[in-house]
Amino acid sequence: AQSVTQLDSQVPVFEEAPVELRCNYSSSVSVYLFWYVQYPNQGLQLLLKYLSGSTLVKGINGFEAEFNKSQTSFHLRKPSVHISDTAEYFCAAKAAGNKLTFGGGTRVLVKP
Amino acid sequence: KAGVTQTPRYLIKTRGQQVTLSCSPISGHRSVSWYQQTPGQGLQFLFEYFSETQRNKGNFPGRFSGRQFSNSRSEMNVSTLELGDSALYLCASSQQGTGELFFGEGSRLTVL
Repeated sequence: AQSVTQLDSQVPVFEEAPVELRCNYSSSVSVYLFWYVQYPNQGLQLLLKYLSGSTLVKGINGFEAEFNKSQTSFHLRKPSVHISDTAEYFCAAKAAGNKLTFGGGTRVLVKP
Repeated sequence: KAGVTQTPRYLIKTRGQQVTLSCSPISGHRSVSWYQQTPGQGLQFLFEYFSETQRNKGNFPGRFSGRQFSNSRSEMNVSTLELGDSALYLCASSQQGTGELFFGEGSRLTVL
């Protein structure tokens, strides 16, 4: 069975400051990893994904994430946030043939 | 290309009633997954359908059921509604393979 843990439930950050959202996963087999964003009253939108290859993955809106197999982590980063980045962010993992498992989410509040 | 469409977007029911939610996937996507999102439990997997067959099922009571039609459209049904069923129900479609899900905006169910 696989599980995903997002270590921070809320992250307040000032505009133009960097942000890092932490995600750890556990799985007995190889997994694909994803980060999704959910803006208020909307569904989830894919930010980026790791399937294989380079461990540094770049996504939309200036976000990037690094896959670390030894630490079973897939942390999301953005060097400079905007007010519009205020949203909830979900890390997710999927092993072949299994369902996509989500973490508990991290609410990012960008302050002016 | 049209995205995932869910109907209705909002609905209010009373305890004991039943409800049917509909999801139209992205054209060409044959897999449809359903998730329940609540503030307390986060995103919980309900079920996944592929080519009219249920492929995975989450840990929900039998009151929750679903189906998929030959055109890949899917419905989920909740019978004998309880207050705790109040949630945002999200549908997502995908092409077979890596597990990247494309989400609809959800159906927000309120049970009174």
